[in-house]
Amino acid sequence: NAGVTQTPKFRVLKTGQSMTLLCAQDMNHEYMYWYRQDPGMGLRLIHYSVGEGTTAKGEVPDGYNVSRLKKQNFLLGLESAAPSQTSVYFCASSSHSLVNTEAFFGQGTRLTVV
Amino acid sequence: AQSVTQLDSHVSVSEGTPVLLRCNYSSSYSPSLFWYVQHPNKGLQLLLKYTSAATLVKGINGFEAEFKKSETSFHLTKPSAHMSDAAEYFCVVSDAQGGKLIFGQGTELSVKP
Repeated sequence: NAGVTQTPKFRVLKTGQSMTLLCAQDMNHEYMYWYRQDPGMGLRLIHYSVGEGTTAKGEVPDGYNVSRLKKQNFLLGLESAAPSQTSVYFCASSSHSLVNTEAFFGQGTRLTVV
Repeated sequence: AQSVTQLDSHVSVSEGTPVLLRCNYSSSYSPSLFWYVQHPNKGLQLLLKYTSAATLVKGINGFEAEFKKSETSFHLTKPSAHMSDAAEYFCVVSDAQGGKLIFGQGTELSVKP
């Protein structure tokens, strides 16, 4: 039972490099999310998707792009990485809106930008 | 707008003593509230959720939380702490449309032998 899987688990980037983080879920969930976690700030929403082909901005979207071409996958892209994007990134999914439904989280991707 | 405030950034208890992690929320409607736990270098796991069915909510591993509308609080408790409870705990509210979760800053729980 894989649940939500994030790839890669660790990455070190140089400033200005680009990369894509992959999130895959095998629960047929409609909703998917990307969060970043920084010390003392909890988790902050970057982008989210309420279905295949749709995306929306969250609280801290600048410097990131996303795509949801397939229902099971949600990609997070950094076009030109900056040290301020050093963080732990979490992907999550849920079957419906979060009024009564829990979200399932991946194990996280630790990204360092030097 | 919805928001969540966790009143303690760090709580330390001795094994076998009660745990209290405090959370206040702000919401203009009847909220859905959650507590998630994150063990070191792990993802987040749901402990319990409040969705207006009952004000006292029981979760996994002996945790429970009470929704108090008059106090806008949703404090997490456990009668007796175990070493394995050491982790970071997040109080979370869903927004009005249910499209996203809004996290508190987190409370790190330490358990001393």
